[in-house]
Amino acid sequence: NAGVTQTPKFQVLKTGQSMTLQCAQDMNHNSMYWYRQDPGMGLRLIYYSASEGTTDKGEVPNGYNVSRLNKREFSLRLESAAPSQTSVYFCASSTGLRGNTEAFFGQGTRLTVV
Amino acid sequence: SQQGEEDPQALSIQEGENATMNCSYKTSINNLQWYRQNSGRGLVHLILIRSNEREKHSGRLRVTLDTSKKSSSLLITASRAADTASYFCATGARYSTLTFGKGTMLLVSP
Repeated sequence: NAGVTQTPKFQVLKTGQSMTLQCAQDMNHNSMYWYRQDPGMGLRLIYYSASEGTTDKGEVPNGYNVSRLNKREFSLRLESAAPSQTSVYFCASSTGLRGNTEAFFGQGTRLTVV
Repeated sequence: SQQGEEDPQALSIQEGENATMNCSYKTSINNLQWYRQNSGRGLVHLILIRSNEREKHSGRLRVTLDTSKKSSSLLITASRAADTASYFCATGARYSTLTFGKGTMLLVSP
């Protein structure tokens, strides 16, 4: 089983460039999430989608947009990348939204903005 | 803001020893989960404990939850070098999504 698949694994952007991080899950989960992980900060929620057709802001949404394309796919877009967005990005999915079921994570996208 | 805070931030032990990590949180929860992250990889779920449970076991893992103290502990018995990783607690509550702490880095030396 593939689980949660993220692409790309690595990316270097110049300040001001845009890009979209892709995420797909094959577990028929309703909820999907985007987190960023910075040294010493743990994981912080950027956006989440409780179900197909809905998206909501998390703790650190500024500078990002998301699209829940269908039940399987949840993309994260950086419209104008900034060095502060250098981070490791993780997509996750789960059956439930409130942490009452385990979450499955992708392998991460390591993004560097120069 | 983050709900859970793990303690210690880093832990170094020898193979065969037990490792104990603690997690404290601020508001009422419905459940608490523990995850492991190997270097450069995604998080992997270890165990989920609900607010009406006090202790749960899974293999060499033992998790306790004390809702009166708003704290949880993860015990790994007979540690192995392969247990070297970062460990995160994550809380779930009625009106919030899964919220992670900053993690404990565990180093198990052969």
